[in-house]
Amino acid sequence: NAGVTQTPKFRVLKTGQSMTLLCAQDMNHEYMYWYRQDPGMGLRLIHYSVGEGTTAKGEVPDGYNVSRLKKQNFLLGLESAAPSQTSVYFCASRPGLGRYNEQFFGPGTRLTVL
Amino acid sequence: AQKITQTQPGMFVQEKEAVTLDCTYDTSDQSYGLFWYKQPSSGEMIFLIYQGSYDEQNATEGRYSLNFQKARKSANLVISASQLGDSAMYFCAMIVLEAGSYQLTFGKGTKLSVIP
Repeated sequence: NAGVTQTPKFRVLKTGQSMTLLCAQDMNHEYMYWYRQDPGMGLRLIHYSVGEGTTAKGEVPDGYNVSRLKKQNFLLGLESAAPSQTSVYFCASRPGLGRYNEQFFGPGTRLTVL
Repeated sequence: AQKITQTQPGMFVQEKEAVTLDCTYDTSDQSYGLFWYKQPSSGEMIFLIYQGSYDEQNATEGRYSLNFQKARKSANLVISASQLGDSAMYFCAMIVLEAGSYQLTFGKGTKLSVIP
């Protein structure tokens, strides 16, 4: 049981390049989330999904797209990376019902856009 | 919209002493939950404790307790008998249970440093 995994762990992009971050969970969770964390800030929600085939915008969705074609995977795409997207990206998941309503977080992806 | 405020950017505590990290929240919803997460320098987010808005007793998990004052909209984390390994960033977060997204709203965090 690996929990929530993220690929890659680190990435450096040039402005204008595209990339996809992969989040995978093996806990059969319904809900999945993408957050970004910037220095001096807490985590901010980018996009989320309440089930396979569904996605919705969070607090800071601009410049990102997501897809949830399979229940266990949640992809975050950057079509044309900008320096403002330099951040640490966290994926999280939660079951439909949980004792503590907690979200389980992946280890994070550190992205630098030059 | 929900808002979490953590007014202490940084805190110091002597090893073996207790420390309180402040968190206030703002929401118009009646059914919600409050979390504390720990983020050590390695970067992962570690769940510590949860308090539901309808829970009558304050939550406790080992050395962690949550001082929940609903009327004041505060949810302070108390760490008893601090250890060097408690040095980390601590985030307070809220979930609104009436909405279908169950998304978390985070505060900006408090950096706790435990002094030997």
